[in-house]
Amino acid sequence: QVHLVQSGAEMKPPGASVKVSCKASGYTFTGYFIHWVRQAPGQGLEWMGWINPKTGGTNSAQKFQGRVTVTKDTSINTVYMEIKRLASDDTAIYYCARELPTTPNSLDSWGQGTLVTVSS
Amino acid sequence: QSVLTQPASVSGSPGQSITISCTGTDSDIAHYRFVSWYQQHPDTAPKLLLYEVSHRPSGVSDRFSGSKSGNTASLTISGLQAEDEADYYCASYTKTPLSTLILGGGTKVTVL
Repeated sequence: QVHLVQSGAEMKPPGASVKVSCKASGYTFTGYFIHWVRQAPGQGLEWMGWINPKTGGTNSAQKFQGRVTVTKDTSINTVYMEIKRLASDDTAIYYCARELPTTPNSLDSWGQGTLVTVSS
Repeated sequence: QSVLTQPASVSGSPGQSITISCTGTDSDIAHYRFVSWYQQHPDTAPKLLLYEVSHRPSGVSDRFSGSKSGNTASLTISGLQAEDEADYYCASYTKTPLSTLILGGGTKVTVL
């Protein structure tokens, strides 16, 4: 059974960085892209980017380029998403999700979400 | 700012059918078959309902169906049930130039 388990809630001051992890199990880690999607309180979903766990290749939404880094550690089947220079509008639940292998951008399994709160 | 346009809310009575539209452009929905739909209940992660316009993952009720015409995709829920009350999001593939996912703003479905 596919599981994506994310790290716990974080509270950070403005200007700090945060790194959220997403540990995969139940499938071949390198066979599926992992995406990151966030949801601000009371708002809709916002796509952030993806990583190819096999190659380490990434792509991100233009608004996050230069501030968000997605990496992987194949030895422990884990993907990381780091956001630098946090601001209050980065307060959101951050989800990782697995992409169907033959259907780009169809996300069939999701992590439980990680709440990141940015506050002084 | 969402790139795909969805109605903010749709409502219906139990047993009725409702349709949620999702309008994009020639660069996304009109150009690719990779349109997906997600259901999200409060305080839970989204769930994949449909992929490639109309394909249902295992375990998803056949009351959910999808279609596409030009730059507009649609999700139809037949035989509306109380448990269908949730937020629904459409998503489409595009290339800019790498694979990119664009999302709709979400539609709140209310079962009257």
